[in-house]
Order: sequence, then C-alpha cells, then structure tokens
Amino acid sequence: GNSVTQMEGPVTLSEEAFLTINCTYTATGYPSLFWYVQYPGEGLQLLLKATKADDKGSNKGFEATYRKETTSFHLEKGSVQVSDSAVYFCALTRRGFKTIFGAGTRLFVKA
Amino acid sequence: DGGITQSPKYLFRKEGQNVTLSCEQNLNHDAMYWYRQDPGQGLRLIYYSQIVNDFQKGDIAEGYSVSREKKESFPLTVTSAQKNPTAFYLCASSDSGSQETQYFGPGTRLLVL
Repeated sequence: GNSVTQMEGPVTLSEEAFLTINCTYTATGYPSLFWYVQYPGEGLQLLLKATKADDKGSNKGFEATYRKETTSFHLEKGSVQVSDSAVYFCALTRRGFKTIFGAGTRLFVKA
Repeated sequence: DGGITQSPKYLFRKEGQNVTLSCEQNLNHDAMYWYRQDPGQGLRLIYYSQIVNDFQKGDIAEGYSVSREKKESFPLTVTSAQKNPTAFYLCASSDSGSQETQYFGPGTRLLVL
C-alpha cells in the first residue's frame, strides 16, 4: 500500500543553520508529493508540492525535489529562522486514493 | 476571503454526551475531510466526502458520524460511543478527491470534562 515515512523529531537548530527533513514514500503509480506546515494551535497549510518526477517545489526559501529513483522528497532550507519553528508533514496523493500523511517532524529554531 | 472555518475553537464534552463540530467552506470544493490529531502524532482520517449526500468511512470512523447535505458544510458528530474523544480535530477540503492540495481549517480542540 501507499505510505510515507519521515524523520523523527524534534529537530533543534540554531538560527541561520541549514535544514533537511527526510521523507521517503512507497506508492504504485505516480503520486503527487506535498509538504505541509502546522504552526502551534493551527491547522495545516500547504508549504510546497511537486506533481511529477524531477519537479522541484519551492516556497518561502524551502525546497524539495521529487526523486522517483530514491522515492524521496526531502525538505531543505538554507538558513532557518525562529519563525520557521513548526511541525512539518510530508504527504502523498494518488488519483483515486486518499492523501497519506507522514507522522510529522517538529522543528525548533533557537535564536 | 475564501477559506474554511471551524467552530468552536474549543469544545467541552460531558460523559455520555454527543457533540457536533462545525466545518464550512466557501472554496466551492467538492471534497471534504475530517481528521483527528493526537498530541505529537500525525493525522488520522475519520470520514471523507467527495460529493454532496455521499461520504465514506476513513481509518477511525467508529464513534463518529457525519452528514453532507450541502456542498459548503460537513459537520462531524462525536458520539458517546467514542470513548477517547480528547483530540484536535481538523477539517479540510480539496477541489476534487485526487491529487489536489488540501486546505485546512484552524481546528477544534475537544476536551472531556
């Protein structure tokens, strides 16, 4: 079946550090891949997405590349800020199937 | 402004009581979803609806019920059969049921007295 595995948190970084949150998936066919972000006490909001292999999604300095050969969609940011502290969810959707979310990775950024 | 609204923000339930969580969207989306989120955990799908007057059970439907009488509205009832209802409940919608971004409401936190 379809599944998403993302690195366990929490991840704690100092401001301006480089961020990587790993995400790998299992799916048949050609899923779309997403990163959502959840700030404390709020709902999820889309951060970026990619719909086919080798696509790169980007937003607010975050990037992720759809790698079909390694079934991965790792989230990266070159220089994190305190305001990036949140929980990040990797997700996949395939036509005709429900969205599958990873367990989430909590990020703490220290000033 | 288009979006999804959920109410109330906090809800308290007494033992044996049914409570209903509201979810309304003005995005003209066909599909709507209810998720449950427990502390430090991911999202679990309770129910979803891809069209008015139709809905399907998700992974943890026991103790919950829904209706979809209007495209804009997808209320969730937490019944007394749900023995551990304390959680954060998220409603979402998408333009169709597949390969589309989901748009989330701000959530309702349900607490048992």
